[in-house]
Amino acid sequence: AQSVTQPDIHITVSEGASLELRCNYSYGATPYLFWYVQSPGQGLQLLLKYFSGDTLVQGIKGFEAEFKRSQSSFNLRKPSVHWSDAAEYFCAVGATGANNLFFGTGTRLTVIP
Amino acid sequence: ETGVTQTPRHLVMGMTNKKSLKCEQHLGHNAMYWYKQSAKKPLELMFVYSLEERVENNSVPSRFSPECPNSSHLFLHLHTLQPEDSALYLCASSQELLDGSYEQYFGPGTRLTVT
Repeated sequence: AQSVTQPDIHITVSEGASLELRCNYSYGATPYLFWYVQSPGQGLQLLLKYFSGDTLVQGIKGFEAEFKRSQSSFNLRKPSVHWSDAAEYFCAVGATGANNLFFGTGTRLTVIP
Repeated sequence: ETGVTQTPRHLVMGMTNKKSLKCEQHLGHNAMYWYKQSAKKPLELMFVYSLEERVENNSVPSRFSPECPNSSHLFLHLHTLQPEDSALYLCASSQELLDGSYEQYFGPGTRLTVT
């Protein structure tokens, strides 16, 4: 069965510092993977997606993620965090031809000045 | 702006009330979804409609009743809710892409409080 684990419930970083949010997935076939961001009181916004090809994918707002099949991971990174990046981040996994996604429980990011 | 709108944004209702949540997508997608988001829980998929037909219902209580009159509109009818139904209800839409994946686009949600 598909599942997604985000081991960090809450992360605090200083503005300008680098960021890495962890995501591990469990899926029998080749998955496609997403990162979404949710600001307070808002819906989820798609940051980036991996399906195949280059394992390092670029997204919006300066984010990138790296797919590592051997580790079943899809970690999100940003080299320099801005105060506006404070939000909740969700990793999700889906299957080819299936229109439902499985979401992790999210990681809340706090950015301090 | 995601192209998916939801109304109302906030709703307070008593346990004996009947209300409806509305979702509209302006993206030309052919699948729509209802999710429930509660604190400290993963997003719970409630209903999926593809080409206006319900394809998935994840054992949602009958006090939640979806309706999809066309590919652009999705409703969630609520009646005799319980306090534990208080949550953020998110609507999403998607279309199958050439690579076989579905990118879901979300609305801003309706914050529901059941008193």
